[in-house]
Amino acid sequence: GENVEQHPSTLSVQEGDSAVIKCTYSDSASNYFPWYKQELGKGPQLIIDIRSNVGEKKDQRIAVTLNKTAKHFSLHITETQPEDSAVYFCAASIMNNNDMRFGAGTRLTVKP
Amino acid sequence: DAEITQSPRHKITETGRQVTLACHQTWNHNNMFWYRQDLGHGLRLIHYSYGVQDTNKGEVSDGYSVSRSNTEDLPLTLESAASSQTSVYFCASSETRGRTEAFFGQGTRLTVV
Repeated sequence: GENVEQHPSTLSVQEGDSAVIKCTYSDSASNYFPWYKQELGKGPQLIIDIRSNVGEKKDQRIAVTLNKTAKHFSLHITETQPEDSAVYFCAASIMNNNDMRFGAGTRLTVKP
Repeated sequence: DAEITQSPRHKITETGRQVTLACHQTWNHNNMFWYRQDLGHGLRLIHYSYGVQDTNKGEVSDGYSVSRSNTEDLPLTLESAASSQTSVYFCASSETRGRTEAFFGQGTRLTVV
């Protein structure tokens, strides 16, 4: 089955700096890669996703890149703000298949 | 507004007891899922359902069961609670089978003593 590794486990940045979280996956058949943000005491929320037919996707300050050859994908947050502080999870799956595997999570702290 | 709610938010139970966690969604989604979240493991799928009377095992289903008698609810039962089942449990629902754009509940923190 799919195995997803996520790094780093914790990340601390100054407000205004960029943050990058990286994930690798093992199953070359995976074609859907979502990112979830989990705030304290809440459930995860989808913030951005990418499918294997594109290499990059942007949504305001958030971007995700995908390298299918190397089997890794990354989340980029620019101009970080304190409200970006949360735990971020990556995941990988084959669309319409329920074998979605999550990374272990990255705790991002943005210092004002 | 449509939502997904879990109850209780916190529960402490004794080893060997049967425990049921509730999940109710008003999205009218056919697909519902239960996960557990543990440090260092992210989210792991326990059971899922594609519709009424349909249930399927996930990655870590041993010791858990679910039933789907209507579209809105997917209760999760721990048949005989064990300390290894101490965790935070999340319910989710989605419109598509691939769990794209899944909506999560706020979680239930279960402690087995």
